[in-house]
Amino acid sequence: KAGVTQTPRYLIKTRGQQVTLSCSPISGHRSVSWYQQTPGQGLQFLFEYFSETQRNKGNFPGRFSGRQFSNSRSEMNVSTLELGDSALYLCASSLASEAPNYGYTFGSGTRLTVV
Amino acid sequence: EDQVTQSPEALRLQEGESSSLNCSYTVSGLRGLFWYRQDPGKGPEFLFTLYSAGEEKEKERLKATLTKKESFLHITAPKPEDSATYLCAVQAHGSGYALNFGKGTSLLVTP
Repeated sequence: KAGVTQTPRYLIKTRGQQVTLSCSPISGHRSVSWYQQTPGQGLQFLFEYFSETQRNKGNFPGRFSGRQFSNSRSEMNVSTLELGDSALYLCASSLASEAPNYGYTFGSGTRLTVV
Repeated sequence: EDQVTQSPEALRLQEGESSSLNCSYTVSGLRGLFWYRQDPGKGPEFLFTLYSAGEEKEKERLKATLTKKESFLHITAPKPEDSATYLCAVQAHGSGYALNFGKGTSLLVTP
């Protein structure tokens, strides 16, 4: 059974550019969440999608956005990149739309470096 | 505001030396408390979900317990392959399905 697939694994961008990250959830999983992980702040919630609708959004500026497609694949976009956006971006998918008895399955992440 | 605090930040154990990791939380209404393990360069790996005080779950050398204010991850007779960062997260009613993570405990088990 394939896991959560995130592409690309590594990315280097210049300040001011924009970037799009991709996430393919486990087959059948309709909930996809995104998290940012940094050494200082740890894992922080960005947003969550279910059936193409954003259900919840974390406390991040509007430069961070996302979407989900009809096949449950999701993308997140960061515009006008800042040095502080350098982080590991993790995607997680879940089978249950309610209490996630099976937990959320994370991908290996996309390591974004902004220079 | 929901808060999750993990202690200690780092822990070094000898192989076979049992210990516990702590996760203290403040949440308006707990929907679930999650434990994850994260290895370097990888995403977190799901271990347990606990829902109510008094609940316990076990998996191999790991046992998670939950009270109204904290959760413990007990590691019995650890092996070097248990070395990883252990993350605790809470999910609250009214916050959608977001997980609020603690900063983690970095565990090193030496032979």
